[in-house]
Parts: sequence; structure tokens; C-alpha cells
Amino acid sequence: QKEVEQDPGPLSVPEGAIVSLNCTYSNSAFQYFMWYRQYSRKGPELLMYTYSSGNKEDGRFTAQVDKSSKYISLFIRDSQPSDSATYLCAMSARGGSNYKLTFGKGTLLTVNP
Amino acid sequence: EPEVTQTPSHQVTQMGQEVILRCVPISNHLYFYWYRQILGQKVEFLVSFYNNEISEKSEIFDDQFSVERPDGSNFTLKIRSTKLEDSAMYFCASSAPRASSYNSPLHFGNGTRLTVT
Repeated sequence: QKEVEQDPGPLSVPEGAIVSLNCTYSNSAFQYFMWYRQYSRKGPELLMYTYSSGNKEDGRFTAQVDKSSKYISLFIRDSQPSDSATYLCAMSARGGSNYKLTFGKGTLLTVNP
Repeated sequence: EPEVTQTPSHQVTQMGQEVILRCVPISNHLYFYWYRQILGQKVEFLVSFYNNEISEKSEIFDDQFSVERPDGSNFTLKIRSTKLEDSAMYFCASSAPRASSYNSPLHFGNGTRLTVT
């Protein structure tokens, strides 16, 4: 079983839709969970960062972590064409400062005007 | 907002040549990293660096790779004898010292696209 699994899509939605992106993982040591957005030929840009289980909201973005199910989600409300990008989940067994992130393969999202 | 900068944006080299990829991390960060992304594949951890030494490295980071912080601002990745399979995007990242909050995750640069011919 792969350490982090993410449906690569592609996912195409109309503008204004609610988008749900998900990852599952197998390593129960993961404690820190991140979502990055990556535009073509750019570096990953941090969107959300959560520790352990629970929800975190930031504007139109909500991140959820369910450690019992080893499942994390990112919800995007009122999606915009500018949200079109690849979304990467990433996780680490340790946080603070010394990270070793394990990434999912990324989900390619297109939001159509 | 401070950012991680990488140069060059694209490097083409011949197999067997040495390349040095350069990064300027965010100025108050103390942990530095290199990750790579082969086209169509996951972003993979290569190495982390702290206090002028390697903290951890992956199995990818073999003797052909080395990292250095030659001065107070630059962080470099050297590949001694490039192979075709080294062709990838190489991302530098940095993170802050341990803080009172958890909000000190990795910040990535825009990468150097390395093409080995």
C-alpha cells in the first residue's frame, strides 16, 4: 500500500461549485497535514496546515483531518477559475521545524467560468 | 511576503557533467531542504539541512549529491555526475525555527528544471 494516495483527477467543475479533494494514508505516525497548491511550472504554495485531527477554515478553504480513518480532505467553496491548479496533500510525522514531507501525487483541478 | 528564490529556473546539462543548483532561503529560516519532482510523479524528499549539516537524507540522495551553505544566504545542491534520470524539477524549501505556534511549515521556491541530455 502506498504511503499517501491521492486521486489524480483531473477534476473539472463549474465556477461557484464546492470542490472536495481527498487523500488517504497508511502511516499512523503522520501528525502534520498540509495542502499545497501548485500552478504549472511553479513551486508548491502552502494553503492549509493542520496538526492532528479536526477542522481548520481559512476563507473559502476548509481542511479536515480524520486520523482514525487516515483520511484528509480539502474543501473549496465558491470555486473560482483562479483556483485551477494541482492540489497536493502532504504530511509529516514531525513538525515544528524539521520536516520530511510525504506528498500525494496531486489532483489537477479545473474551474470553468 | 518573503520567499524562497532559486536559480537558474532552467538548467540543461550533458550526462556526466556536474551541476550546482542555487537557492536563497527565507532569511530568518534555519532549516533547509531539497525536494525533487520527476515529470508526472510525486514531489519527493531529498535532504534536510540544519546547523551546517545534513539532518536527514533519502535513499535517492546518494554519493552523487551534496549540499552546502557556502555563506549566510545561499543553499546549494550539487550533482557531481548527472544521469538522464536526474532530469526533474528541483525545489528548495525552508522552514522557521521551532516557534510557539505550529504555523511554521515548509515554504517552497519555484524550482529549477534540470534537463540532462
